[in-house]
Amino acid sequence: SQTIHQWPATLVQPVGSPLSLECTVEGTSNPNLYWYRQAAGRGLQLLFYSVGIGQISSEVPQNLSASRPQDRQFILSSKKLLLSDSGFYLCAWSVPRYEQYFGPGTRLTVT
Amino acid sequence: GQQVMQIPQYQHVQEGEDFTTYCNSSTTLSNIQWYKQRPGGHPVFLIQLVKSGEVKKQKRLTFQFGEAKKNSSLHITATQTTDVGTYFCAGDSGTYKYIFGTGTRLKVLA
Repeated sequence: SQTIHQWPATLVQPVGSPLSLECTVEGTSNPNLYWYRQAAGRGLQLLFYSVGIGQISSEVPQNLSASRPQDRQFILSSKKLLLSDSGFYLCAWSVPRYEQYFGPGTRLTVT
Repeated sequence: GQQVMQIPQYQHVQEGEDFTTYCNSSTTLSNIQWYKQRPGGHPVFLIQLVKSGEVKKQKRLTFQFGEAKKNSSLHITATQTTDVGTYFCAGDSGTYKYIFGTGTRLKVLA
């Protein structure tokens, strides 16, 4: 069966520090991968999606970047965090045109 | 860009009452999905609708996709406390990316 992992579960980082969030998927090949951000009590904002290794589409211009170094690995990064980067970061995978499966998420607080 | 709006933003109902949330897209969708997110949790897939005018049921939940494939609704009959959470629709305009609606937060009062 398929499993999606995200870590860490919670993270507190100072403004200006770097960020690296990792997401890995097990039990499937060549999935579509997604990064979303959810502000407290708000909807899900699509940040990046990827349909294959090295293929990243950015939806929102910001100080975040994403990479897909392996088929089932998706990384979200920042060189310098801003206060506005705080939120709940969710990784998801799907077979194209089918449902998305979300990881448990990372709660990021930038102080 | 594509936008997906949901109404209402919040809904408080007494247990046993019905509940409906509506989803409207600015563009025609190839399919629409519905998710439920419990407080503190992550979104969990409920259903996908693909055909124009499609209606699907899951026990007390009824999902509908509009004829023009630009709107959808979720109706819950006789709500229970386990229905508490935020319901999101997500539309795919055919580009492999899903735009999530603004969500409807449901609170059920016992």
